[in-house]
This record gives sequence, C-alpha cells and structure tokens, in this order.
Amino acid sequence: DGGITQSPKYLFRKEGQNVTLSCEQNLNHDAMYWYRQDPGQGLRLIYYSQIVNDFQKGDIAEGYSVSREKKESFPLTVTSAQKNPTAFYLCASMRALNEKLFFGSGTQLSVL
Amino acid sequence: QKEVEQNSGPLSVPEGAIASLNCTYSDRGSQSFFWYRQYSGKSPELIMFIYSNGDKEDGRFTAQLNKASQYVSLLIRDSQPSDSATYLCAVNMRGAGYSTLTFGKGTMLLVSP
Repeated sequence: DGGITQSPKYLFRKEGQNVTLSCEQNLNHDAMYWYRQDPGQGLRLIYYSQIVNDFQKGDIAEGYSVSREKKESFPLTVTSAQKNPTAFYLCASMRALNEKLFFGSGTQLSVL
Repeated sequence: QKEVEQNSGPLSVPEGAIASLNCTYSDRGSQSFFWYRQYSGKSPELIMFIYSNGDKEDGRFTAQLNKASQYVSLLIRDSQPSDSATYLCAVNMRGAGYSTLTFGKGTMLLVSP
C-alpha cells in the first residue's frame, strides 16, 4: 500500500537529548513537509523540501534540523535547543506544486 | 503576515442538520484551498479541495470559494455524529517558488444524536 510512514508513534525525550523522528513515503512525491501541532492549535510548518538535498525553513525552524538524502525519506531531528518540544509532529508529502497534501499518522513527542 | 482564520467553535448541530464551517485568508495570491478533518489524536484527512470560484460538491460535502472576498466555506449536509471532529482549513501560499500550505487553527464540530 502506498503511503507515508512515521515512526515511532510515541517518543520521549530527556533533558539535553536530541531525538530523530522518521518519515518515509512510497508515493513518489517530490515535496515533503514537517508540521508541529500543539493542543487546540493549528499546524505550524517546521521545514519543507521540494527536491533531494534541498530544504527550506518554515515558520518555526529554530531547534530543529532535517535532511533529504533520498526522495523517500525526510527525517526530523529535535535538538536540545528546542526548549518546548512536547507536541504532535506530522510529516506530509505532496506530488507537485499546488496539489494535495497527504499526512502520515504522526508522532507524539513528550519530555521526561 | 499570511494568515488563515477560522472560528474555533465548538459548532454544535443536531443530527441531520447542515453544518456550515467558514474560513478567511489574507493572501490574495492563494490558488488552492483545502478542508481537512481531524479526529482527536489522529492526523488530518483531506476531505475537500477547491481551486476555482464557486461551489464544489462531493457527497454530503460542499466547498464554496469566493476569491474576491477571500472566503472559503465547507457545508456538511445531513450531519452525522461521526462527523464530530475538528475541521482544518488550509490555503496554498506560494513563496520563493515553493508550495506550502498554511493552516487555520480549526473549528470543532459536535453533532448530537
């Protein structure tokens, strides 16, 4: 089945620790995105990538890093510089400009 | 700043009624408009998209777009308790040749049996 796979579903971060959220898609989509959602809030864009080895900062990129070494994969690292990382993280992909955005099932990140 | 505004709700309607959800956006250059449904603890699911002024119908859902007024709405006919969810409006706002969606904060819909 084609889709977007995010792992893990739940993740806990200790103080000062970097953690990486995985996102893989087999839809052959060019563009991939990371959004963050806080309770009762909309989705805020962290990073996005239109092509391999290229990515752009979104509205709230501070404390996060990404890579796009393969078309299928767009991992997000939440660094220790992100002081309020507890949120629901959503990976998404889009086939081409102006087309529909599809989401993975999300990762809930909490701080221990 | 490019924004998408929605009433947070909750919007409460009885089963069988029409639910009307509204959204305004700030960027006049926006070209595509989407409605997502999100159940608690789940990821958003695309239910409607519209690119041109006017109405677009799909089953019980109708999306309405008025670019002059920078307004997009979603009508849900014959509302069911299973429609109870948060509905997110999203607008495509181009920047530097890239395509990103800006989301509103969502409207919670409660359909009572």
